Amino acid sequence: EPEVTQTPSHQVTQMGQEVILRCVPISNHLYFYWYRQILGQKVEFLVSFYNNEISEKSEIFDDQFSVERPDGSNFTLKIRSTKLEDSAMYFCASFLGGATNEKLFFGSGTQLSVL
Amino acid sequence: ELKVEQNPLFLSMQEGKNYTIYCNYSTTSDRLYWYRQDPGKSLESLFVLLSNGAVKQEGRLMASLDTKARLSTLHITAAVHDLSATYFCAVPKGERDDKIIFGKGTRLHILP
Repeated sequence: EPEVTQTPSHQVTQMGQEVILRCVPISNHLYFYWYRQILGQKVEFLVSFYNNEISEKSEIFDDQFSVERPDGSNFTLKIRSTKLEDSAMYFCASFLGGATNEKLFFGSGTQLSVL
Repeated sequence: ELKVEQNPLFLSMQEGKNYTIYCNYSTTSDRLYWYRQDPGKSLESLFVLLSNGAVKQEGRLMASLDTKARLSTLHITAAVHDLSATYFCAVPKGERDDKIIFGKGTRLHILP
């Protein structure tokens, strides 16, 4: 089965530092997402990306966050100046789109710890 | 604003019993997804429900969708310990897939 890959699996950073989380979505998919989950609780939507631009973002996704698809395969989430409350598991997901039997595929996640 | 509510949020049950998890959502959607998550792991797709009245079954799990009532159910038949996990429903906002909102999850603990 195709898969979404994420790197790194763990990232530890100091408060105020920039981090980049990387994802390689499934190649023919059209929609890409970032979600986060704090301590195994709710899966929170951050942002979706379609047709090379952000299509939706949540209140969490403020000016400190940005996404890019720099080379047609990677999809990155950057946090410019990390805060303690950014500590979470970040999941990348990709989706073919449309009213099909396709599902949202999730990567294995990056556990971000901000100290 | 799309809200997705699951209940119960926590369920402890004996092996062999049946139970149902409910997922209500607040705005019109003709699709709904169910996911399973084991502790420390990613989300695994269980079901994609695409239309009103859709019913899908996989082993001891059966999911259904009633778009008129904005309700989906995940029914567990004769539970076994291996089904212990957290189950999430997720609903796309609107007709496009720009925003797929998850419920808070139901943590299912099945006692041997």
